[in-house]
Order: sequence, then structure tokens, then C-alpha cells
Amino acid sequence: QLQLQESGPGLVKPSETLSLTCAVSGGSISSSSYYWGWIRQPPGKGLEWIGNIYYSGTTYYNPSLKSRITISVDTSKNQFSLKLSSVTAADTAVYYCATYKRNYPTWFDPWGQGTLVSVSS
Amino acid sequence: DIQMTQSPSYLSASVGDRVTITCRASQSISSYLNWYQQEPGKAPKLLIYDTSSLQSGVPSRFSGSGSGTDFTLTISSLQPEDFATYYCQQSYSAPFIFGPGTKVDIK
Repeated sequence: QLQLQESGPGLVKPSETLSLTCAVSGGSISSSSYYWGWIRQPPGKGLEWIGNIYYSGTTYYNPSLKSRITISVDTSKNQFSLKLSSVTAADTAVYYCATYKRNYPTWFDPWGQGTLVSVSS
Repeated sequence: DIQMTQSPSYLSASVGDRVTITCRASQSISSYLNWYQQEPGKAPKLLIYDTSSLQSGVPSRFSGSGSGTDFTLTISSLQPEDFATYYCQQSYSAPFIFGPGTKVDIK
């Protein structure tokens, strides 16, 4: 079964770029059945969808973050990545990667365990 | 964008109680509504997809109903392990918005 694991720095300075990677195991990131997504959760708050990517590189981004985010996929390493530029304290959150089934009905499952990224100087 | 609301935002209940959480979409999303459970410090877990289909391994005391804009998650008899925060999420169209959550606490 699919398993996802986030990795990346836990601390990023304001105005810099946050970079995270999600390693996929138990299946191929090139599967035609799935999108691969990023969701975040600020401390004590709700869930915010960031964006999804298909193995071909097709992306869907949250309009509220679109100008600052880049999601990419590396099929050779079976992983996908998130870059969020010009970060501020408001970007402090637990970042989750998750699988998003491609065809309707669709949902996020499974999820990675999440990684906390703090933005501070 | 489709906006999602949930009510209540917080509820206090006892073991054995029947609990109902409501989720409303700002426009019709057909049946494309999912429910997730999140325990403190853990990743969300899919409970129900496509309004009423139970994810594998989820106890039958959980059920979902609704269509269009109004949806409900029901726990028929609350168990100690059900005290958590519940989120709805629309999968009708991007952006795939989550509801603000309902925290279920022990009375």
C-alpha cells in the first residue's frame, strides 16, 4: 500500500524559500490513478489545500498561494516536491503530502505524517 | 471558489451519545463530499468519501448523508477514540477546500 513521507528543513527565514519533498513508497508516482498533493495546517488551525500534481507535470494550485508555489515531480526518485517562496510567519505550519485519487469520486488518502516548518529569523 | 462551513465548531458529548455534524457548501457539489478525522498531533484520516461511503476499516457507527449543498456526519454511539476534530472537504472542483473543522470533546 502507498506510504508517503515528508522531509525538509524545519526552520526557514522570512523572505526565503521553503522547500519540502515527499517520498512515495509502495507504489509508483507515475501511476495514472493518482494526483499527488500538498496540504498545510497552521498551529491550532484548519487544513488548507496547497496544490496537486500529476506525474506528467500537470498542476493545480490554490489561487491564494499560486504566485508563490511550485510543485514538481521526480519520477526517477519516486518523489514530488513543494517550493513556497517569500515566506512569512503566516506560512508556519505542519505540511502534509497526500495522495489524491484521479477519477471521481476522489479524496485525499493516504497522508504522510506531516512535517512542521517554522518561519523565523 | 466553493466555500465550506461546518457546524457546530465545537461540541461536548459523552460516550454513547449520538453526534451529528453538519457541513454546507456555498454551491452544489453533487455528492463529492469527504469527511476526515484528525486526532491531536496526527495526520487527518479519511473516514467517509463521496458523501456516504465508509473508508475501509472505519467502524459502522460512522455514517454520512446529504447531497447538493448540505451534508451530515453522524456518529451513532460515541466511543472514547472518537474524540477528535472532524473536517469536511469538497472534491467537486479545485480549489479543494476543507471546512473549518468541528472539535468533539469529552463532556
